[in-house]
Amino acid sequence: QKEVEQDPGPLSVPEGAIVSLNCTYSNSAFQYFMWYRQYSRKGPELLMYTYSSGNKEDGRFTAQVDKSSKYISLFIRDSQPSDSATYLCAMSYGNNRLAFGKGNQVVVIP
Amino acid sequence: GAVVSQHPSWVICKSGTSVKIECRSLDFQATTMFWYRQFPKQSLMLMATSNEGSKATYEQGVEKDKFLINHASLTLSTLTVTSAHPEDSSFYICSASLRGKGGSQGNTIYFGEGSWLTVV
Repeated sequence: QKEVEQDPGPLSVPEGAIVSLNCTYSNSAFQYFMWYRQYSRKGPELLMYTYSSGNKEDGRFTAQVDKSSKYISLFIRDSQPSDSATYLCAMSYGNNRLAFGKGNQVVVIP
Repeated sequence: GAVVSQHPSWVICKSGTSVKIECRSLDFQATTMFWYRQFPKQSLMLMATSNEGSKATYEQGVEKDKFLINHASLTLSTLTVTSAHPEDSSFYICSASLRGKGGSQGNTIYFGEGSWLTVV
């Protein structure tokens, strides 16, 4: 399976702050990039999906892809306690197979 | 959105026995289903790709004789963990891709809620 690097360190932020998450990869075969949110003991839920370098916004969420640096980011603006979850980056390497990062546990403190 | 259901959500079995986990796409046909395993504080690891009517394709390092996958219809895939041992205890998650939107796109993949397996 292809490797995706995501620093799994927990992240605690006060409510209203911007959450910044990122992943790096080394394999140029990755073409599609996703961010999933996973609540404890639940399946992952797709948040953002991108396939080209640049930014994509959806409400309070912004996904950023830099293919030249092999680096992707997720930003959450005006974070809410309900955003507390584990965020996983994932990359598609063909035929809908996904390689995931380890995930970042985010805690938004009221 | 599309719904993928897994059953059971939790299962405890004795070492040496086999356990079956079902994955169903409830409101769409899934030509391809995927089985992942997630150990605590680890990433989801793809185990195998399951195509309806054909043999599953296993990722490197996954024992096909231990993790039997059957994809009998466009809405059902099953994973059977044979002769389970405590080290097989994990969170098993399936996902399904929406029929007619294949290729390499990831946005047509829907995940189930997962099944916790504990082998004692």
